[in-house]
Amino acid sequence: ELKVEQNPLFLSMQEGKNYTIYCNYSTTSDRLYWYRQDPGKSLESLFVLLSNGAVKQEGRLMASLDTKARLSTLHITAAVHDLSATYFCAVDTKPIFTGGGNKLTFGTGTQLKVEL
Amino acid sequence: NAGVTQTPKFRVLKTGQSMTLLCAQDMNHEYMYWYRQDPGMGLRLIHYSVGEGTTAKGEVPDGYNVSRLKKQNFLLGLESAAPSQTSVYFCASSTLDRAGELFFGEGSRLTVL
Repeated sequence: ELKVEQNPLFLSMQEGKNYTIYCNYSTTSDRLYWYRQDPGKSLESLFVLLSNGAVKQEGRLMASLDTKARLSTLHITAAVHDLSATYFCAVDTKPIFTGGGNKLTFGTGTQLKVEL
Repeated sequence: NAGVTQTPKFRVLKTGQSMTLLCAQDMNHEYMYWYRQDPGMGLRLIHYSVGEGTTAKGEVPDGYNVSRLKKQNFLLGLESAAPSQTSVYFCASSTLDRAGELFFGEGSRLTVL
């Protein structure tokens, strides 16, 4: 059974600080996704990481994937209040059928609060 | 562009009652999914569909049924609601070639008393 663990589960940080969220998973996969959820809202896709060593950046967020270590990181640079949200990583499991498709297993989420 | 729309947004049921959650997407996506979100447990897949007329079980399918009679709609049914089904339910959809990028609905908060 695939397990996806995130840490920390809760993170309170000050504006301007840097921090990293970690996502570990228990089985081989080279497809990992990061999502953001604002309180009471839906989830939106942030990053798609599809190979070992993949790195994606958007604004103050940067995500990377190390498939050998089964680890993805989400790095926050110079945090701002608008980044306050819950961040989920999700790992792709076996394809639903050949030619595409998948099933995502989500981590428990990291609730980030950036203090003004 | 509405994206993924779920109805209803909120519902309170008594134990044993039945109900159906409707998910509609206007993006012509092939894949559709139903997840439930519970505190401290992330999102768990209930059922999914890879196309019109096809459905399959996910991680936590017991107590739920689904149907996808039209490509744009994916229905989640609770035949006999139980308090353990109190949760926030999210519908999502994705394309054939970018299947891991899910587009989520706003969620449906269900309380079973």
